[in-house]
Amino acid sequence: SQTIHQWPATLVQPVGSPLSLECTVEGTSNPNLYWYRQAAGRGLQLLFYSVGIGQISSEVPQNLSASRPQDRQFILSSKKLLLSDSGFYLCAWTGQGNTEAFFGQGTRLTVV
Amino acid sequence: AQSVAQPEDQVNVAEGNPLTVKCTYSVSGNPYLFWYVQYPNRGLQFLLKYITGDNLVKGSYGFEAEFNKSQTSFHLKKPSALVSDSALYFCAVSAGFQKLVFGTGTRLLVSP
Repeated sequence: SQTIHQWPATLVQPVGSPLSLECTVEGTSNPNLYWYRQAAGRGLQLLFYSVGIGQISSEVPQNLSASRPQDRQFILSSKKLLLSDSGFYLCAWTGQGNTEAFFGQGTRLTVV
Repeated sequence: AQSVAQPEDQVNVAEGNPLTVKCTYSVSGNPYLFWYVQYPNRGLQFLLKYITGDNLVKGSYGFEAEFNKSQTSFHLKKPSALVSDSALYFCAVSAGFQKLVFGTGTRLLVSP
């Protein structure tokens, strides 16, 4: 069966520090991968999505970047965090046979 | 570009009563529509989807949704609400199996 791993679950980082959040998927190949941010427990903002290795689509200009170095690995990064980067970050995947998205448990990022 | 609107920030219903959570969408081409539920500090859980076929879709935990092409709506319904249904509900749309866009969410509060 397919599973998605996202870590860490919580993270407190100072302003100006770098960020790396990792997401991996098991049990499937060539998934579509997504990073979302959820602010204040409400709407999900699509940050990045990827349909293949090295293929990243950015949805909004921001202080973040994404990379997909392997088929089932999706990384969210920042060189210098801002206070406004605080939020709940969710990774998700969709597959060729499964049209619905499956989500990781999320990372609560607090920038202080 | 595809988009989803959830016009109600919160829906209040008494336990045992029917509930409806509204969703309208905009997409070029045939829509793929989804409902998800989120409990505090957790990832999203898939409830149901419409891809093609019957306009009434049945999903997990007794939820169902009705696809209405002329009104571009996909409202979530349940005949009899439970207190445990209280959570944040998201509608989502994609055009094809790629970019998946979510609404802003509707908080459902079921009172005993």
